[in-house]
Formats: sequence, structure tokens, C-alpha cells
Amino acid sequence: DAGVIQSPRHEVTEMGQEVTLRCKPISGHDYLFWYRQTMMRGLELLIYFNNNVPIDDSGMPEDRFSAKMPNASFSTLKIQPSEPRDSAVYFCASSLYGTSRYEQYFGPGTRLTVT
Amino acid sequence: SQQGEEDPQALSIQEGENATMNCSYKTSINNLQWYRQNSGRGLVHLILIRSNEREKHSGRLRVTLDTSKKSSSLLITASRAADTASYFCATPDTGRRALTFGSGTRLQVQP
Repeated sequence: DAGVIQSPRHEVTEMGQEVTLRCKPISGHDYLFWYRQTMMRGLELLIYFNNNVPIDDSGMPEDRFSAKMPNASFSTLKIQPSEPRDSAVYFCASSLYGTSRYEQYFGPGTRLTVT
Repeated sequence: SQQGEEDPQALSIQEGENATMNCSYKTSINNLQWYRQNSGRGLVHLILIRSNEREKHSGRLRVTLDTSKKSSSLLITASRAADTASYFCATPDTGRRALTFGSGTRLQVQP
């Protein structure tokens, strides 16, 4: 298996622009998680899905953030409009609850810089 | 939600030495996990220890869990330069299928 795939790996954008991050989970996994990592706040859970349905979005910082999972093999995290404080590394992770319980498999991350 | 806090925040040792990292958490758990993150990469699952286990081994890794003290430790024996990374403990959140990660320990192994 190719593992969790994220794109783009790096994104540099100007304040006010829309940013879309993409994730392809491991085939067959039923949970998908979006995290944000910064030096100041560490690793924060933003939202997670189960069988394509958003379960908990309490970590989404503001209405500027939205996430979708239209099918089992694709998810997006959108920031509109972006702000400099959104600069961070965004990770997508997936897991299969039935066999591996809570073990999560992480993608390589998208490093977002908002100028 | 529960939160693991690692100690120390940073650790620098020589190749061949052992490295010990500690994690404390706040509420009851059914398992605790350790992850590694190399610079510029995603987290990689290392080992999971269940609440009814006190010690678990995987290669050069040894994990202990003390539920009475709400703490865990990760020991890496005979460290190598390739072990240089950040190490995080993670605990399941109560009532939801998510993990809360600690702040991590940055390990530097000098060759």
C-alpha cells in the first residue's frame, strides 16, 4: 500500500487567498483525521470522519476552515480566506478501527505558509 | 480530553547510550501509544501498550505503563544516529475515536 497521500507537500499563498489541501487515506480505512502542527500549539486535531461522515469538528478553529470527504478515498481541508496565523504543517491520518484499534497512519503533511 | 505530557522536552545523548522518555496523562485510558516523527515527516506508530499490560518490548524499544501513576516511559536501548527524531505519546480521547498527542520529546543522538 502507498500509505496516506497528501498534496501539495508545500503551499505558499498570500493572505486572503483560498487554500485547499488534499488527502487520500489508506484503502479500506474507515477513519480519517486532519491535524495541524505548530511549534506553539503542538499537534492539534481539527476534525475527523468515520465512513465519510464528519464526527467531530470541534477542533476546527474558525468558520474559515471547512473539510469534506465526498468518498472513502478522498478528503479536502479548505481555508478561505487564509491568514498568516494559519501557517503550519497540516497532517492527514487514517485508521481502521476494527483491527488496529486506535493506531493511526499519517501522511507526510502539507507545509502551508501564508504571507 | 486526556493529554500526554512528555518529559524531557529535549534529550541529547551519544550513540550507543540508552534514551528514556516519560509521558504523563490525566484520566483513565485503555491504551497508550508512542509515535516517532522524523524532521519534515509525518508521525509513525511505534508501539501500543494496553492498560492491563505493564511492559512491552519491540526490538530496541521498551515501554512501561503505570496506570496508578498515570505515566508511561519509552526506553530506546543502544541508540543510533537514525533514532534522532521527536517522540510523542498519545492517549485515546474519552467517548470518541480520536487521540490526543503530547508535546513530544526531541531526541538527538550524536554519532
